[in-house]
Amino acid sequence: AQSVTQLDSHVSVSEGTPVLLRCNYSSSYSPSLFWYVQHPNKGLQLLLKYTSAATLVKGINGFEAEFKKSETSFHLTKPSAHMSDAAEYFCVVSVYTGGFKTIFGAGTRLFVKA
Amino acid sequence: DTEVTQTPKHLVMGMTNKKSLKCEQHMGHRAMYWYKQKAKKPPELMFVYSYEKLSINESVPSRFSPECPNSSLLNLHLHALQPEDSALYLCASSQGQGVKDTEAFFGQGTRLTVV
Repeated sequence: AQSVTQLDSHVSVSEGTPVLLRCNYSSSYSPSLFWYVQHPNKGLQLLLKYTSAATLVKGINGFEAEFKKSETSFHLTKPSAHMSDAAEYFCVVSVYTGGFKTIFGAGTRLFVKA
Repeated sequence: DTEVTQTPKHLVMGMTNKKSLKCEQHMGHRAMYWYKQKAKKPPELMFVYSYEKLSINESVPSRFSPECPNSSLLNLHLHALQPEDSALYLCASSQGQGVKDTEAFFGQGTRLTVV
């Protein structure tokens, strides 16, 4: 079965400190992996995607993620949090199981303290 | 143009009303999607159109009726909704359904309140 687990429902950091949002996936097939961000009452915006070209993926706004097949993880990081990073973050897995299926993680709410 | 435009941004409707949500993209994408998102939850897939044909209906009640008039437009017709249908409705598009490594582009959503 295919699944995606975001290990923290809430993460709180201080402005200027590193951010780590954790995502583990389960897939019998080679997955496509994405991180999206959603600010309150807004649509989802793509932060980055894993396309098998490189295991370390750089995205927008200073975010990056590392694909670790051995750990089935795709954690999202940023060296220094900004107040504007406060939002909901979704890890998304797309797999082929006779047809393509997109699976959303439950989301992680990031709080940034001044 | 990398935008997906949804109208209206907000909608309040009674349980006997008929209304429509609209979605438009001009990126040449051939797959378009409707999602429903409740508060503090991830989006849930409702419908997928691929090359203007309905390819996935995730067992959505018939009071929601999708329509894809052409490759750029996607509508969601609403009729006899219930208060529990109140949610953020998101439209998305992608290059094609099932194209590996291709991301979806989301609109800003329509905040629907059923009274």
